[in-house]
Amino acid sequence: EVQLVESGGGLVQPGGSLRLSCAASGFTFSNYGMTWVRQAPGKGLEWVSRISNSGLVTNYADSVKGRFTISRDNAQATLYLQMTNLRAEDTATYFCASQFCHTTRCYLWYFDLWGRGTLVSVSS
Amino acid sequence: QSALTQPPSASGSLGQSVTISCTGTTNDVGGYNYVSWYQQHPGKAPKLIIYEVTERPSGVPDRFSASKSVNTASLTVSGLQAEDEADYYCSSYADGNNLLFGGGTKLTVL
Repeated sequence: EVQLVESGGGLVQPGGSLRLSCAASGFTFSNYGMTWVRQAPGKGLEWVSRISNSGLVTNYADSVKGRFTISRDNAQATLYLQMTNLRAEDTATYFCASQFCHTTRCYLWYFDLWGRGTLVSVSS
Repeated sequence: QSALTQPPSASGSLGQSVTISCTGTTNDVGGYNYVSWYQQHPGKAPKLIIYEVTERPSGVPDRFSASKSVNTASLTVSGLQAEDEADYYCSSYADGNNLLFGGGTKLTVL
């Protein structure tokens, strides 16, 4: 089955750190760019970061730049998000998603396979 | 960058059509043809329903259509069905390798 499964969420104090994982299965993970998108409780979607299929290119939203690091292990078919210096406003469900590909073309900024998300709560 | 602007709510009766707008700037929606739309049902992950401004992925009904004019993108849902009731988010590539989402529109099918 083609799927993405996030893990690693939980309750953390402000200033703390957390590492999220996203395990991919059912497709050739190393062929796809990946992204993290978050959604605060009752709020809209916010893009967090993306990484190329090789892992060589990464981009971040201004709100997390310098605090979050995206990475991947293609051998383990796993995407990561290392989060440091966490703030209350980072509280959200974090979704991982893979880039959309149609026929022979893959699109950097569209995502068609999503996980169910993992909840991160930042509170003292 | 600021989020793209969407109306918080929209509604339409079964079988009717409804259009949701998404307004950005020349630095995002107006500057690139990299606009997409996602549908999200409560408690579920988003689903890509439109990409490249007007294109539908396989399996998305042709009741969903979209367009763009200057800095505003629009999603039209025709022949509204009960299962179309969901939150809809626009998204656009923005200057500097960023991706912006709209604030979301809650679509109610009456």
